[in-house]
Amino acid sequence: QITLEESGPTLVKPTQTLTLTCTFSGFSIDTNGVGVGWIRQPPGKPLEWLALIYWDDDKRYRPSLKSRLTITKDTSKNQVVLTMTNMNPVDTGTYYCAHRRGSTWFFDSWGQGTLVTVSS
Amino acid sequence: DIQLTQSPSFLSASVGDRVTITCRASQGIASYLAWYQQKPGKAPKLLIYAASTLESGVPSRFSGSGSGTEFSLAISSLQPEDFATYYCQHLSSDPYIYIFGQGTKLEIK
Repeated sequence: QITLEESGPTLVKPTQTLTLTCTFSGFSIDTNGVGVGWIRQPPGKPLEWLALIYWDDDKRYRPSLKSRLTITKDTSKNQVVLTMTNMNPVDTGTYYCAHRRGSTWFFDSWGQGTLVTVSS
Repeated sequence: DIQLTQSPSFLSASVGDRVTITCRASQGIASYLAWYQQKPGKAPKLLIYAASTLESGVPSRFSGSGSGTEFSLAISSLQPEDFATYYCQHLSSDPYIYIFGQGTKLEIK
């Protein structure tokens, strides 16, 4: 059974850097084709994909946010970390990490999400 | 860039009804479409991928169809637990970006 859990601060100030950790179990991120992605959802708004890291350390970012995002993985800890710089109140929302099934293009397991509020 | 447009944005229906939600892509995407269900305060749940393949464990009252630019998600007989928001999703290769529709909120009439 695949599980994912997001952790990180619930409140960040404008201009600060957000660091979120996704701790997972039930799969190995070294498995060919597997990926772990981050998706966010502002309150009352649709889902927005942010970044994804593949088993081979290939990294993909949302073009409009690429300059602010960094995604890394720690295979030994079963963790994927997302950092987002220069946080702004419009970045407030629930941040999810999700498992991309090997060699596919969709997310079959999601964490429960973590709400991040950007406010001074 | 590819866009996904869902219709309707809001849908009111009763238990036992059959409902259909549409997702229209701005360019042809073959069958590379997935559907998710999201309940308030919960993470999305994968329902269907490859336009019509039911994810394991998803009730058979859910079905997907379509290819190219027009897709639909149907629920044959609404159950109380089906009232939620539904999203379609595609992965564009150029630019590389996972795209979600704007969502369809299914409410109890």
